[in-house]
Amino acid sequence: GESVGLHLPTLSVQEGDNSIINCAYSNSASDYFIWYKQESGKGPQFIIDIRSNMDKRQGQRVTVLLNKTVKHLSLQIAATQPGDSAVYFCAEILNDYKLSFGAGTTVTVRA
Amino acid sequence: GAGVSQSPSNKVTEKGKDVELRCDPISGHTALYWYRQSLGQGLEFLIYFQGNSAPDKSGLPSDRFSAERTGGSVSTLTIQRTQQEDSAVYLCASSLGVGGEQFFGPGTRLTVL
Repeated sequence: GESVGLHLPTLSVQEGDNSIINCAYSNSASDYFIWYKQESGKGPQFIIDIRSNMDKRQGQRVTVLLNKTVKHLSLQIAATQPGDSAVYFCAEILNDYKLSFGAGTTVTVRA
Repeated sequence: GAGVSQSPSNKVTEKGKDVELRCDPISGHTALYWYRQSLGQGLEFLIYFQGNSAPDKSGLPSDRFSAERTGGSVSTLTIQRTQQEDSAVYLCASSLGVGGEQFFGPGTRLTVL
């Protein structure tokens, strides 16, 4: 079965609001995670990553939180914009290169 | 462009036919990966190349699937005697070296009738 998954398949958010996308993983030995964004007809695009020696990492308008105790990741998007509409995946990195993705959360931004 | 390219973008084939999917990685990237994305599913790792050799083929679903890479650049994924369950989007990614950030191509959508 999959070792990484997301809690909700869809998320609808008002433009300008903050979005929170959640992800649970099952492999307690995992030490590296990446969030990807995939727009229709395109391949996944790297957003932000985090290693297990951190519990928070910030990028431009995005923050990733890692809770190793409960094996949970979240991606926060500040001031969500229409261009943020996409499918978001959290990926676990195995053996330094093998990405393992869950099914993803589809984010729809309402104008 | 400087990104990963894949061809064809769409492929419709009949059950039992063979198909070849092509990936052109970013120039200078030594590592190349193939993944499969089925409808509503996450990515499934298929195979990884370092240069022209494939240290990890563990994700290939059956012996109908094979891949090669020549000149440390272009890779071809071949599916023989296609089945309907092979229908999916096949994604290729490349990275500067193993463990580096993987850049994805747009994928090839394969439909087996």
